[in-house]
Amino acid sequence: QVQLVQSGAEVKKPGASVKVSCKASGYTFTDYYMHWVRQAPGQGLEWMGRINPNSGGTNYAQNFQGRVTMTRDTSISTAYMELSRLTSDDTAVYYCARVGEFGSGSYYSYWGQGTLVTVSS
Amino acid sequence: DIVMTQSPDSLAVSLGERATINCKSSQSVLYSSTNKNYFAWYQQKPGQPPKLLIYWASTRESGVPDRFSGSGSGTDFTLTISSLQAEDVAVYYCQQYYSSPHTFGQGTKLEIK
Repeated sequence: QVQLVQSGAEVKKPGASVKVSCKASGYTFTDYYMHWVRQAPGQGLEWMGRINPNSGGTNYAQNFQGRVTMTRDTSISTAYMELSRLTSDDTAVYYCARVGEFGSGSYYSYWGQGTLVTVSS
Repeated sequence: DIVMTQSPDSLAVSLGERATINCKSSQSVLYSSTNKNYFAWYQQKPGQPPKLLIYWASTRESGVPDRFSGSGSGTDFTLTISSLQAEDVAVYYCQQYYSSPHTFGQGTKLEIK
């Protein structure tokens, strides 16, 4: 069965960076795009970007351009999302989500459990 | 960016009654070459990640009870729960995956009356 297991909660100081991992299992990692979505406390869902695990190609939301980097390590079926220059507004739960069908235009069938990132001085 | 607007923001329905949530996109998410609406509904319960309910606007995800149904095309979509159960209390989100960024609606909180 498909599983996405994310790394544990993080506490960071303003100005620091955080790197969240998402380890995939139960399918061929390079066959499906991976997206990253965040959710601030009590708020809605915000799309951050996506990575094609096969090519490594990425597409980021304008709000995060220049601050976010999505990468992958195909040898261990793991996707990463790194966010730099953190502020308190970046306090949120970060999710990875795998698409349901081959290709970039697809819904999100599987989600990681979420990683809480807290930014506080 | 495509803006997704849900209505209402919150909804209270009696057990066994019908619940209806609407979502409107600022531009069509119907892709002419595939004749598919690039549109999905998700359910999120407290402390859990979102769960896919409906994709391609009206296709129910495997394992989702058949009391959940999706309809609509182009810019206007509806999620209907035909007979509300206690376990359906959650926040519901619509999403378009037609173009980047893949935007979500603001969410609709569904409660029991």
